[in-house]
Amino acid sequence: NAGVTQTPKFRVLKTGQSMTLLCAQDMNHEYMYWYRQDPGMGLRLIHYSVGEGTTAKGEVPDGYNVSRLKKQNFLLGLESAAPSQTSVYFCASSYTYSNQPQHFGDGTRLSIL
Amino acid sequence: GENVEQHPSTLSVQEGDSAVIKCTYSDSASNYFPWYKQELGKRPQLIIDIRSNVGEKKDQRIAVTLNKTAKHFSLHITETQPEDSAVYFCAAISPRQAGTALIFGKGTTLSVSS
Repeated sequence: NAGVTQTPKFRVLKTGQSMTLLCAQDMNHEYMYWYRQDPGMGLRLIHYSVGEGTTAKGEVPDGYNVSRLKKQNFLLGLESAAPSQTSVYFCASSYTYSNQPQHFGDGTRLSIL
Repeated sequence: GENVEQHPSTLSVQEGDSAVIKCTYSDSASNYFPWYKQELGKRPQLIIDIRSNVGEKKDQRIAVTLNKTAKHFSLHITETQPEDSAVYFCAAISPRQAGTALIFGKGTTLSVSS
Protein backbone atom coordinates (compact mmCIF):
# COMPACT_ATOMS: atom_id res chain seq x y z
CA ASN A 1 0.00 0.00 0.00
CA ALA A 2 1.98 3.00 -1.31
CA GLY A 3 -0.60 5.70 -0.40
CA VAL A 4 -0.16 8.78 -2.60
CA THR A 5 2.68 8.72 -5.12
CA GLN A 6 3.85 11.74 -7.09
CA THR A 7 6.11 11.76 -10.13
CA PRO A 8 8.51 13.29 -10.85
CA LYS A 9 10.11 14.38 -7.56
CA PHE A 10 12.19 17.17 -9.12
CA ARG A 11 12.07 19.02 -12.40
CA VAL A 12 13.68 22.07 -13.94
CA LEU A 13 11.92 23.73 -16.87
CA LYS A 14 12.58 26.68 -19.09
CA THR A 15 9.98 29.41 -19.42
CA GLY A 16 7.38 28.42 -21.99
CA GLN A 17 7.92 24.68 -21.72
CA SER A 18 5.09 22.35 -20.79
CA MET A 19 4.93 19.38 -18.47
CA THR A 20 2.57 17.10 -16.58
CA LEU A 21 2.78 16.08 -12.94
CA LEU A 22 1.27 12.73 -12.07
CA CYS A 23 -0.44 11.78 -8.83
CA ALA A 24 -1.52 8.22 -8.13
CA GLN A 25 -3.33 6.87 -5.05
CA ASP A 26 -4.14 3.29 -4.13
CA MET A 27 -6.59 3.95 -1.27
CA ASN A 28 -9.72 4.06 -3.46
CA HIS A 29 -10.29 7.69 -2.49
CA GLU A 30 -12.90 9.66 -4.37
CA TYR A 31 -11.47 13.11 -3.75
CA MET A 32 -8.09 14.30 -5.00
CA TYR A 33 -6.38 17.68 -4.72
CA TRP A 34 -3.41 19.62 -6.05
CA TYR A 35 -1.80 22.22 -3.78
CA ARG A 36 1.18 24.45 -4.24
CA GLN A 37 3.42 25.48 -1.36
CA ASP A 38 5.38 28.71 -1.40
CA PRO A 39 7.46 30.19 1.45
CA GLY A 40 5.28 32.07 3.93
CA MET A 41 2.08 31.22 2.03
CA GLY A 42 1.19 27.82 3.40
CA LEU A 43 -0.51 25.41 1.02
CA ARG A 44 -2.94 26.79 -1.54
CA LEU A 45 -5.42 24.75 -3.54
CA ILE A 46 -4.93 24.76 -7.32
CA HIS A 47 -7.57 22.30 -8.57
CA TYR A 48 -9.48 19.41 -7.13
CA SER A 49 -11.60 16.47 -8.21
CA VAL A 50 -14.56 14.87 -6.44
CA GLY A 51 -14.61 11.80 -8.65
CA GLU A 52 -13.49 10.19 -11.88
CA GLY A 53 -14.14 12.49 -14.83
CA THR A 54 -14.73 15.60 -12.69
CA THR A 55 -12.46 18.55 -11.94
CA ALA A 56 -12.93 22.01 -10.45
CA LYS A 57 -10.92 25.14 -9.77
CA GLY A 58 -9.43 25.97 -6.41
CA GLU A 59 -7.94 29.16 -5.05
CA VAL A 60 -5.06 29.60 -7.55
CA PRO A 61 -6.00 27.78 -10.81
CA ASP A 62 -4.56 30.16 -13.43
CA GLY A 63 -1.89 28.63 -15.65
CA TYR A 64 -2.77 25.05 -14.72
CA ASN A 65 -5.04 22.36 -16.12
CA VAL A 66 -6.00 19.00 -14.63
CA SER A 67 -7.55 15.72 -15.66
CA ARG A 68 -9.01 12.76 -13.78
CA LEU A 69 -9.56 10.07 -16.40
CA LYS A 70 -9.09 7.25 -13.89
CA LYS A 71 -10.16 7.27 -10.26
CA GLN A 72 -6.67 6.57 -8.99
CA ASN A 73 -4.86 9.22 -11.04
CA PHE A 74 -4.95 13.01 -11.00
CA LEU A 75 -2.77 14.88 -13.49
CA LEU A 76 -1.64 18.50 -13.21
CA GLY A 77 -0.50 20.20 -16.42
CA LEU A 78 1.44 23.36 -17.08
CA GLU A 79 0.91 24.36 -20.70
CA SER A 80 3.41 27.24 -20.79
CA ALA A 81 5.53 27.37 -17.65
CA ALA A 82 6.29 30.74 -16.05
CA PRO A 83 8.86 31.58 -13.32
CA SER A 84 5.94 32.38 -10.97
CA GLN A 85 5.05 28.68 -11.06
CA THR A 86 8.30 27.75 -9.35
CA SER A 87 7.02 25.98 -6.26
CA VAL A 88 6.60 22.69 -4.46
CA TYR A 89 3.49 20.86 -5.60
CA PHE A 90 1.64 18.44 -3.35
CA CYS A 91 -1.09 16.05 -4.28
CA ALA A 92 -3.55 14.79 -1.66
CA SER A 93 -6.51 12.45 -1.55
CA SER A 94 -9.36 11.67 0.84
CA TYR A 95 -12.66 9.89 1.25
CA THR A 96 -15.84 11.71 0.35
CA TYR A 97 -16.84 13.06 3.74
CA SER A 98 -15.83 16.54 4.81
CA ASN A 99 -14.48 15.37 8.16
CA GLN A 100 -11.95 12.86 6.89
CA PRO A 101 -8.18 13.38 6.78
CA GLN A 102 -6.31 14.10 3.59
CA HIS A 103 -3.24 12.05 2.75
CA PHE A 104 -0.36 13.79 0.99
CA GLY A 105 2.25 12.66 -1.49
CA ASP A 106 5.94 13.50 -1.13
CA GLY A 107 5.74 16.53 -3.40
CA THR A 108 7.27 17.66 -6.68
CA ARG A 109 9.87 20.42 -6.58
CA LEU A 110 9.53 22.42 -9.78
CA SER A 111 11.85 25.22 -10.88
CA ILE A 112 11.10 27.40 -13.89
CA LEU A 113 14.07 29.30 -15.28
CA GLY B 1 -15.31 31.12 1.96
CA GLU B 2 -13.36 29.81 4.90
CA ASN B 3 -10.32 31.72 6.12
CA VAL B 4 -7.81 30.39 8.66
CA GLU B 5 -5.40 32.58 10.60
CA GLN B 6 -2.48 31.00 12.49
CA HIS B 7 -0.26 32.47 15.23
CA PRO B 8 2.57 32.77 15.94
CA SER B 9 4.52 32.42 12.71
CA THR B 10 7.65 31.39 14.62
CA LEU B 11 8.03 29.88 18.07
CA SER B 12 11.23 29.04 19.93
CA VAL B 13 11.18 26.98 23.12
CA GLN B 14 13.64 25.12 25.32
CA GLU B 15 13.52 21.35 25.39
CA GLY B 16 11.00 20.21 27.97
CA ASP B 17 8.86 23.36 27.74
CA SER B 18 5.35 23.45 26.31
CA ALA B 19 4.42 24.98 22.96
CA VAL B 20 1.03 26.37 21.97
CA ILE B 21 -0.07 27.32 18.46
CA LYS B 22 -3.42 29.02 17.89
CA CYS B 23 -5.68 29.22 14.87
CA THR B 24 -8.93 31.03 14.19
CA TYR B 25 -11.43 30.26 11.45
CA SER B 26 -14.22 32.25 9.88
CA ASP B 27 -16.90 29.76 8.75
CA SER B 28 -19.10 28.62 11.63
CA ALA B 29 -20.08 25.55 9.58
CA SER B 30 -16.51 24.18 9.63
CA ASN B 31 -16.53 20.76 11.23
CA TYR B 32 -13.06 19.27 10.88
CA PHE B 33 -9.76 20.68 12.09
CA PRO B 34 -6.54 18.77 11.36
CA TRP B 35 -3.01 19.66 12.32
CA TYR B 36 -0.09 18.79 10.08
CA LYS B 37 3.61 18.64 10.85
CA GLN B 38 6.04 19.23 8.02
CA GLU B 39 9.74 18.58 8.37
CA LEU B 40 12.14 20.24 5.97
CA GLY B 41 11.79 18.76 2.49
CA LYS B 42 9.06 16.32 3.54
CA ARG B 43 5.34 15.98 3.05
CA PRO B 44 2.81 17.36 5.54
CA GLN B 45 1.99 14.60 8.01
CA LEU B 46 -1.26 14.52 9.96
CA ILE B 47 -0.46 14.52 13.68
CA ILE B 48 -3.86 15.06 15.25
CA ASP B 49 -7.33 16.15 14.24
CA ILE B 50 -10.55 17.14 15.95
CA ARG B 51 -14.14 17.18 14.80
CA SER B 52 -16.67 19.81 15.74
CA ASN B 53 -18.59 17.61 18.16
CA VAL B 54 -15.54 17.31 20.44
CA GLY B 55 -13.92 20.00 22.61
CA GLU B 56 -10.56 18.39 23.24
CA LYS B 57 -8.49 15.49 22.00
CA LYS B 58 -5.19 14.19 23.30
CA ASP B 59 -2.56 11.84 21.92
CA GLN B 60 0.43 11.38 24.22
CA ARG B 61 2.27 14.74 24.29
CA ILE B 62 -0.01 16.40 21.75
CA ALA B 63 -3.46 17.84 22.39
CA VAL B 64 -5.89 19.95 20.45
CA THR B 65 -8.68 22.09 21.87
CA LEU B 66 -11.61 23.55 19.99
CA ASN B 67 -13.79 26.51 20.98
CA LYS B 68 -16.66 26.63 18.51
CA THR B 69 -18.21 29.73 20.03
CA ALA B 70 -15.04 31.75 19.59
CA LYS B 71 -14.12 29.88 16.37
CA HIS B 72 -10.62 29.04 17.41
CA PHE B 73 -8.60 25.89 17.99
CA SER B 74 -5.16 25.32 19.43
CA LEU B 75 -2.36 22.77 19.33
CA HIS B 76 -0.58 22.03 22.59
CA ILE B 77 2.72 20.15 22.69
CA THR B 78 4.05 19.26 26.14
CA GLU B 79 7.59 18.20 27.10
CA THR B 80 8.94 19.35 23.77
CA GLN B 81 11.88 17.53 22.21
CA PRO B 82 14.33 18.59 19.48
CA GLU B 83 12.58 16.24 17.03
CA ASP B 84 9.43 18.34 17.45
CA SER B 85 11.19 21.10 15.48
CA ALA B 86 9.24 21.52 12.24
CA VAL B 87 6.60 23.67 10.57
CA TYR B 88 3.09 23.07 11.88
CA PHE B 89 0.00 23.86 9.85
CA CYS B 90 -3.56 24.08 11.08
CA ALA B 91 -6.43 23.64 8.66
CA ALA B 92 -10.19 23.66 8.55
CA ILE B 93 -12.83 22.10 6.36
CA SER B 94 -16.32 23.45 5.90
CA PRO B 95 -19.11 21.42 4.26
CA ARG B 96 -19.89 24.67 2.46
CA GLN B 97 -16.41 24.66 0.90
CA ALA B 98 -16.46 23.35 -2.63
CA GLY B 99 -14.82 19.94 -2.80
CA THR B 100 -14.37 19.99 0.99
CA ALA B 101 -10.81 21.12 0.41
CA LEU B 102 -8.58 21.97 3.36
CA ILE B 103 -8.03 25.66 4.02
CA PHE B 104 -4.61 26.00 5.63
CA GLY B 105 -3.11 28.53 7.97
CA LYS B 106 0.24 29.93 6.88
CA GLY B 107 2.22 27.78 9.30
CA THR B 108 4.24 28.07 12.49
CA THR B 109 7.95 27.27 12.53
CA LEU B 110 8.68 25.61 15.87
CA SER B 111 12.29 25.43 17.04
CA VAL B 112 13.13 23.35 20.10
CA SER B 113 16.62 23.89 21.46
CA SER B 114 18.34 21.47 23.79
